[in-house]
Amino acid sequence: DIQMTQSPSSLSASVGDRVTITCQASQDISNYLNWYQQKPGKAPKLLIYDASNLETGVPSRFSGSGSGTDFTFTISSLQPEDIATYYCQQYDNLPFTFGGGTKVEIK
Amino acid sequence: QVTLRESGPALVKPTQTLTLTCTFSGFSLSTSGMCVSWIRQPPGKALEWLARIDWDDDKYYSTSLKTRLTISKDTSKNQVVLTMTNMDPVDTATYYCARSSTVTKFDYWGQGTLVTVSS
Repeated sequence: DIQMTQSPSSLSASVGDRVTITCQASQDISNYLNWYQQKPGKAPKLLIYDASNLETGVPSRFSGSGSGTDFTFTISSLQPEDIATYYCQQYDNLPFTFGGGTKVEIK
Repeated sequence: QVTLRESGPALVKPTQTLTLTCTFSGFSLSTSGMCVSWIRQPPGKALEWLARIDWDDDKYYSTSLKTRLTISKDTSKNQVVLTMTNMDPVDTATYYCARSSTVTKFDYWGQGTLVTVSS
């Protein structure tokens, strides 16, 4: 199985800050990576697919980049409604696997 | 409008078999490319993909759980059923079903159902 390692596991930032989360795959997954946002008590929501494509309706302050084994997720200007846990997920190989999550809080 | 809803018991005893049903609307699982997966999340922990069934009835399972899982579909009822045998307290989690319209991404999710395993 492909292992997905996210860092940091949590972070605290101020409103308006740029926030960056990284995700590393245990092997080359090309650009076969998605990013999800999960708010407390809610189901995950797809934000980014194919490493860098913004899902319809998702604000443009969210972005993703990377290929191969190293990926980055960025919130360009953190908003209060962005408080959530973010997960990466690979779909290069079955079984699909998720990262351990990054909890984003407001400082 | 695509919706998915999970249903099943909230409480199961250790060693029992869990049966969960995902009832969906707004798409057909007989359409080429459509898939439904089950994903779970223990309290306070990360997401774990469990199983997937495709429009052509191909089935895929988690490596670590494949001996305990069975996924099936009833296209006429717009339902996907997951069974998990020999339940253990570590299987306590919220169980989600999610749709993939292109195999690659989970674009719609159910609200999840919490299953507690306890005697």
